[in-house]
Amino acid sequence: DAKTTQPNSMESNEEEPVHLPCNHSTISGTDYIHWYRQLPSQGPEYVIHGLTSNVNNRMASLAIAEDRKSSTLILHRATLRDAAVYYCILTGNTPLVFGKGTRLSVIA
Amino acid sequence: GAGVSQTPSNKVTEKGKYVELRCDPISGHTALYWYRQSLGQGPEFLIYFQGTGAADDSGLPNDRFFAVRPEGSVSTLKIQRTERGDSAVYLCASSLDGRRTEAFFGQGTRLTVV
Repeated sequence: DAKTTQPNSMESNEEEPVHLPCNHSTISGTDYIHWYRQLPSQGPEYVIHGLTSNVNNRMASLAIAEDRKSSTLILHRATLRDAAVYYCILTGNTPLVFGKGTRLSVIA
Repeated sequence: GAGVSQTPSNKVTEKGKYVELRCDPISGHTALYWYRQSLGQGPEFLIYFQGTGAADDSGLPNDRFFAVRPEGSVSTLKIQRTERGDSAVYLCASSLDGRRTEAFFGQGTRLTVV
């Protein structure tokens, strides 16, 4: 009963932008879209979240499709420190539940 | 300010024993989550509190696991009759309201059952 679908893994070159996709075709009107990441040997870390409009913060940007059935996390310039597992999570009637995420590798 | 604090950071216990893991959330955060994470896996949801009540305990694997949050702040995860398969990192997180705001994670308690 996974609510989001993400690629298992992606690869990026250092200092290039990265677009991490997430499909959530069964999203409800009150669901927020959250992104977290987990670096090796660390706990999960908040990245960004949004409801309908695109969002920007110091870490990343979140682009939300007009129908809200998909979103994209954008890292503007990937660094080696961005290598992590990225999780796209919907919160609404359900709490913060992690799926399998996307493992991002960054190549120097 | 203080973040989410979990104690102990490491716990080694013998199979069959009872353990308690503590989580001190950020002050004022009404939502509190417990997860466990095995090596190479993502965080597995256990239970979610809103205030003092368990809003969703669907992730607790069996009746050996129980969690409380009596005053809506500190929470304790209790595991009875521990088994070797319970060995994992137990993570706690808190957020202002559980849906619209970001969650902050503690550093976890590494539980080893020998």
